[in-house]
Amino acid sequence: AQTVTQSQPEMSVQEAETVTLSCTYDTSENNYYLFWYKQPPSRQMILVIRQEAYKQQNATENRFSVNFQKAAKSFSLKISDSQLGDTAMYFCAFLLTDSWGKLQFGAGTQVVVTP
Amino acid sequence: DVKVTQSSRYLVKRTGEKVFLECVQDMDHENMFWYRQDPGLGLRLIYFSYDVKMKEKGDIPEGYSVSREKKERFSLILESTSTNQTSMYLCASTPSGERDTQYFGPGTRLTVL
Repeated sequence: AQTVTQSQPEMSVQEAETVTLSCTYDTSENNYYLFWYKQPPSRQMILVIRQEAYKQQNATENRFSVNFQKAAKSFSLKISDSQLGDTAMYFCAFLLTDSWGKLQFGAGTQVVVTP
Repeated sequence: DVKVTQSSRYLVKRTGEKVFLECVQDMDHENMFWYRQDPGLGLRLIYFSYDVKMKEKGDIPEGYSVSREKKERFSLILESTSTNQTSMYLCASTPSGERDTQYFGPGTRLTVL
C-alpha cells in the first residue's frame, strides 16, 4: 500500500514571498504519478501540477514548481511570488500508473497568504 | 469543459436516516469515485466504479454502499447515518484513457445530528 505524508498542517507566507510545502510518499512501485491539488474556500479541487515518476525533470507551472527526488521519495511544492488567491488547502497525491485512477492523498497543508 | 456536479452542497440529517448523495458527470467518463474529506486525514477513497454496475471498495467502505445504473451517475448511499459520517464528500471522475486526470465535483458537506 502507498502512503503520502504532509508534515506541515499550516503555513503562512506574505504576499510576493516564496513558500515550500513538503510531501513524502512510500511505495515499492516504479511507475506512478504525483500531484499537487489546491482546494480554496470554494472547496473546488484544482490540479496545480503533475509529475510523472519516469521524468527526471521537475514540473513547472507558472509560479508553481516541484522538487521531485525519486530516490528520497520526496515531492515538494514551491509557490513563488505568493498571491492572496493562493490561500487554500494544498494536497499532495499519489497515483499508480496501472491503477483505476485511485488517488492516495496526504493530510493537506493549509497555506495562508497575508498582505 | 468537463463538469462534475453533486446534488447538494450542504445536507443536514438525523442519526439513522437514509441518505443518497448523487454525482453526475457529463463527459462519458468510465471511472467515478467517492472520497471522504476530514481535517487532518485528507481525502480517503470510499468506493469507485470503472463501469456501469461495476464497483470496487476503496479504503473506507464500511457504512456506505454505491450504485451506478447509468454511466454518468454514481450514487453514494448511507443506509443508516451515524454522527461519525459527518464529513465532506467529494465525487470525481476520470476517463479510462487518462486516469491521471481527475475531475472533481464541488463537494457535499454532510452533517449528521
